[in-house]
Amino acid sequence: DAGVTQSPTHLIKTRGQHVTLRCSPISGHKSVSWYQQVLGQGPQFIFQYYEKEERGRGNFPDRFSARQFPNYSSELNVNALLLGDSALYLCASSSLGSGSTLETQYFGPGTRLLVL
Amino acid sequence: DQQVKQNSPSLSVQEGRISILNCDYTNSMFDYFLWYKKYPAEGPTFLISISSIKDKNEDGRFTVFLNKSAKHLSLHIVPSQPGDSAVYFCAASGLYGNKLVFGAGTILRVKS
Repeated sequence: DAGVTQSPTHLIKTRGQHVTLRCSPISGHKSVSWYQQVLGQGPQFIFQYYEKEERGRGNFPDRFSARQFPNYSSELNVNALLLGDSALYLCASSSLGSGSTLETQYFGPGTRLLVL
Repeated sequence: DQQVKQNSPSLSVQEGRISILNCDYTNSMFDYFLWYKKYPAEGPTFLISISSIKDKNEDGRFTVFLNKSAKHLSLHIVPSQPGDSAVYFCAASGLYGNKLVFGAGTILRVKS
């Protein structure tokens, strides 16, 4: 049974460019969350989507946006890239996402973004 | 504002002995706690979790203890194996369940 998949695995962009990262959740999971992990820190929450609706947003600027498609896959978009956006971007899926607190999120391998 | 703290950046343990990883939190609204393991170039892998109504949860070699009054949880690995060498993240979620708050991680090295 396939886990969470993400593409691409690695990406190099220059400042000011735009990037789109993609995620496919575990089959049957309807909730997708995005996290940013900077070197030496734990992952930081960016967004959660459930049934194509945004259910939560972390403390990130409006340059970050996301959406979820009818097949529950998701895209994370980042505009006007800054050097500080260089990080590992993780996608996680869960089966609940309805606001339950007992929700285990399963992570994909991540997309490593380098902004030059 | 670090709501979840892992104060030990690294831990080294001999194979076969117990590994104890610690985590403290400040937000009393957290009610679900999880441990993830992360190898280089991979995403975090879920290990074990505990809800706030329990004080212990065990799964094979892994046991998580929760002390709500001290706002402290710990992960015990017995016996430790070289394959356990990884970064361990403590995470917590609260009222809305839609956001995991992570600690900075502890690098565990199990020596054979």
